[in-house]
Amino acid sequence: DGGITQSPKYLFRKEGQNVTLSCEQNLNHDAMYWYRQDPGQGLRLIYYSQIVNDFQKGDIAEGYSVSREKKESFPLTVTSAQKNPTAFYLCASKGYWDRDTNTEAFFGQGTRLTVV
Amino acid sequence: EDQVTQSPEALRLQEGESSSLNCSYTVSGLRGLFWYRQDPGKGPEFLFTLYSAGEEKEKERLKATLTKKESFLHITAPKPEDSATYLCASSGNTGKLIFGQGTTLQVKP
Repeated sequence: DGGITQSPKYLFRKEGQNVTLSCEQNLNHDAMYWYRQDPGQGLRLIYYSQIVNDFQKGDIAEGYSVSREKKESFPLTVTSAQKNPTAFYLCASKGYWDRDTNTEAFFGQGTRLTVV
Repeated sequence: EDQVTQSPEALRLQEGESSSLNCSYTVSGLRGLFWYRQDPGKGPEFLFTLYSAGEEKEKERLKATLTKKESFLHITAPKPEDSATYLCASSGNTGKLIFGQGTTLQVKP
């Protein structure tokens, strides 16, 4: 089945530790996105990538890093510089119907990161 | 700067009481206006895409409409199972997909 997979579902991080969240899609989508969601809040954009080997910062990129070496994969690293990383992280991918219209974005089921 | 604002933040309805959710957007070169439903602890589930002012989409008790500055999600005769957070997002020519803060809907029997 086509879809987008995030892993792990739950992740615990110790103070000062880097952790990497996985996001894989088999929808052949060009664009991929990472969002952070805090309780009772909307989705805030961390990083996005429209093509392999290229990515841009979103609104809250500080303390995070990404790579896009393959079309299917867009891993997110939460570094020790992110002072308040406890949150729900969502990955999405999106395609294009043509130059002026986008398809809807498909989401993974999320990773819940907790600092211990 | 692309921006999406949703109102109200929370909405409580009695079963059968119709209402509307608002999404105001500012985007350079609209490539799509999207509505999603999100249940607690899960990823957003796609509902509708709108591309141009005047466009409307319907699905069961939900109807989405679009103007040049706003989109509305109309809920007709809601049921308790419609309780969820509804998210609006815009995509423009920067490639960003920007979400609003969401409206949390509670429908009481």
